[in-house]
Amino acid sequence: AQSVTQLGSHVSVSEGALVLLRCNYSSSVPPYLFWYVQYPNQGLQLLLKYTTGATLVKGINGFEAEFKKSETSFHLTKPSAHMSDAAEYFCAVRIPMIKAAGNKLTFGGGTRVLVKP
Amino acid sequence: DVKVTQSSRYLVKRTGEKVFLECVQDMDHENMFWYRQDPGLGLRLIYFSYDVKMKEKGDIPEGYSVSREKKERFSLILESASTNQTSMYLCASRLSGDYNSPLHFGNGTRLTVT
Repeated sequence: AQSVTQLGSHVSVSEGALVLLRCNYSSSVPPYLFWYVQYPNQGLQLLLKYTTGATLVKGINGFEAEFKKSETSFHLTKPSAHMSDAAEYFCAVRIPMIKAAGNKLTFGGGTRVLVKP
Repeated sequence: DVKVTQSSRYLVKRTGEKVFLECVQDMDHENMFWYRQDPGLGLRLIYFSYDVKMKEKGDIPEGYSVSREKKERFSLILESASTNQTSMYLCASRLSGDYNSPLHFGNGTRLTVT
């Protein structure tokens, strides 16, 4: 079964500084990888995803993530943090399978980002 | 734009009560999901449905059941609520047949069982 580990439940960054959120996964087959963001009092929305092809993927709001198979990682970065980036971020993995069970997303524990002025 | 609507934002129930959480989506998605969200644990899948009247257990189905009588509606049922079911519940939907398609989430129902 697949699993996802996010290092650090809380991250504090200064406005304008680099945002780096770490995600490692375990899977016996090549997975599809996702980052979701949750703003206060809202549901989750998709930031970006990796399925196949280019390993560096760009998402909304200036975020990007790189799939590194050798490191089983999918870290999320943004060069310059903005106050509006304060939210909780979730990494997730899906194993593409034929059976319905393959539709499941497995989420990491989440990382809450605080942006300091 | 896909809209997933959860009927209640906040619910307070007593131990032993039967609780219904309702979710409706407006994009004709085949797949619908119920997750619970707890601090430090992320989202954990309770049940999902890949079509009307079809359901499959997720990772933590104990104490829950679901109903999918119509394509747009997916209900989560707590047969006898307990305090350890106090949590945020998130409903989601997605188009089937395409593993690239993302989940679309509702805004969540925060349930407190006293």
